[in-house]
Order: sequence, then C-alpha cells, then structure tokens
Amino acid sequence: DAMVIQNPRYQVTQFGKPVTLSCSQTLNHNVMYWYQQKSSQAPKLLFHYYDKDFNNEADTPDNFQSRRPNTSFCFLDIRSPGLGDAAMYLCATSRELLNTEAFFGQGTRLTVV
Amino acid sequence: DQQVKQNSPSLSVQEGRISILNCDYTNSMFDYFLWYKKYPAEGPTFLISISSIKDKNEDGRFTVFLNKSAKHLSLHIVPSQPGDSAVYFCAAFGGSNYKLTFGKGTLLTVNP
Repeated sequence: DAMVIQNPRYQVTQFGKPVTLSCSQTLNHNVMYWYQQKSSQAPKLLFHYYDKDFNNEADTPDNFQSRRPNTSFCFLDIRSPGLGDAAMYLCATSRELLNTEAFFGQGTRLTVV
Repeated sequence: DQQVKQNSPSLSVQEGRISILNCDYTNSMFDYFLWYKKYPAEGPTFLISISSIKDKNEDGRFTVFLNKSAKHLSLHIVPSQPGDSAVYFCAAFGGSNYKLTFGKGTLLTVNP
C-alpha cells in the first residue's frame, strides 16, 4: 500500500500559470519535505514542514511556496512557473528530523510549455 | 558545492557478478549515510544505511562499506540481478544538518 502519494504523476502547465502539486501520507509522520530533481541531478531540498512549522531552504526561489493544512497533506505551489522549473518534484516524509530514513512518493513530473 | 559525489554516472555489470557503486563526501560532519534505489517513474526507495560508528552493514545481497578517513562509502551487490537495474543515490546527513544531501546518482544496468 502506498504510504506517500503524490498527485498528479504528470503535470503540464503553461509558462507563468500557477500550478499546485499535492502530497499525502498515511504514516502520520511529523516531517514532510519537498525536493526538486532535474535530469541527471541530485534531488535538491526546497523546504520542509515539521508539524506546522515551515522551514525554507536559503536558496529556494520565492516562486515556490508550500502549505500544510493538516498532518496528512502538503502542497507545493509554483506561482509563476518558468521553463527552468520543469523537473521531477518529490515529496518525502520522516517521523522526526534527523531521522534515519525518509519515505518518498512516486514524484510528479512537471512540464512547462 | 557538491558535498556528496557519485562520480560514475553509470555502471554496467553481468548478471551474477558483483556491482560496486561508489560515493565520496566532503562534509566531515556527516555521520549517517543511506543508499536509495530509484526505478524510472517512481520515487526513491530506501535500500540500506550505515552509521559512522560502523564500517560495514550487510542486508542480504547488499553491503555498504564506510571508510571515514577517506570519506568514502561503497555499495556492493552480490550477486547482481537484472531487477537491480535502477538509479542508486547515495545520501548523507549529520551534525546539526538534519537534511539529506544526495549525490547525483549512478545508473546500474545488470545484463542477463
């Protein structure tokens, strides 16, 4: 049974048109992460939530925002997608920070046209 | 500034032989290391990990070796199977740095 679920699996959006990616978890983990992975690159952490506390990475563009309305769901909002934002977006969870294992969703492949 | 480096983008081995995937790191504060496996169109899945207090951890066909003085770790798969064909990511965290830092990955192809 999938424990971290991302929707949609594939998303096509227009240049400049806001888009939202969704992640849900059944693990009841405290921490939810969003990673961006471009082709042949390492996954790059954008931000994470510890419970309701939001933590942004210093180099994450303002164009990227996140919401976590409850423990189970976390959203990634891209306010004005550019061509350079095309990537795989990975959601992950862990029980605690400094946890020894993170569980990943299947990812959402974002295409910007 | 890449703190976790996987210098081989790809590796091809014959079924039944050993696969050795390498990873180097530069941050001496890292004290926990993980390997993730990723199939196409799927998210990474946890494979095996090792703490810096150990130099070896084994789980079935998978063994991870850690050489702290060289800041190097490797993943050994013996015997390799076609189903092992995937991208393998090395990741690390430690000290006050809670976040996983990933390498770029190595594409392993196991030929029947």
